[in-house]
Amino acid sequence: ILNVEQSPQSLHVQEGDSTNFTCSFPSSNFYALHWYRWETAKSPEALFVMTLNGDEKKKGRISATLNTKEGYSYLYIKGSQPEDSATYLCALRNSNSGYALNFGKGTSLLVTP
Amino acid sequence: EAGVAQSPRYKIIEKRQSVAFWCNPISGHATLYWYQQILGQGPKLLIQFQNNGVVDDSQLPKDRFSAERLKGVDSTLKIQPAKLEDSAVYLCASSLEAGHRETQYFGPGTRLLVL
Repeated sequence: ILNVEQSPQSLHVQEGDSTNFTCSFPSSNFYALHWYRWETAKSPEALFVMTLNGDEKKKGRISATLNTKEGYSYLYIKGSQPEDSATYLCALRNSNSGYALNFGKGTSLLVTP
Repeated sequence: EAGVAQSPRYKIIEKRQSVAFWCNPISGHATLYWYQQILGQGPKLLIQFQNNGVVDDSQLPKDRFSAERLKGVDSTLKIQPAKLEDSAVYLCASSLEAGHRETQYFGPGTRLLVL
């Protein structure tokens, strides 16, 4: 089991604020980092799969960066909206994990109008 | 394209009872996963199938949990007998293949409460 840490555990922002979360992971034997968004009572939704050091991916107002040498990824949300309220999970794959996703505990985001 | 289907969505049982969950993956996806997500923790892999064969079941509590994917499509996960600590969300996911860059697509989960 790999030690994937996410911070903060929870976050409460006002509509229109920009925000970011951190995912930290062991940097050795890295294969890929996945980001998911999980809204209550819905299926976890895949946001990004990141594989290369320095990768930066964007989907609408959400973007993510990856640093495999120091073992962290940032997820940014620009101009948060109430519909962004969800738990954001990162998950690591490396040579020690086989094909399993090793998830962090998630960051719970609440955006209020 | 239809997503991953799971049933039931919710289940309440008493300890020592048995329960079964069903998963229908996305059509054509060879790899199927069952995860357990206990409140306050991230999802944890229980078992991974490649077609109808088991690839990884190292974290499956085999004294009480079993899973099968007989025809390489649908899968069932069973708990017999259930314990209080089995209360969790059970997520099924599928991917086209088992590669490290493959996106896993998740179902909505089955929320189990053991009383």
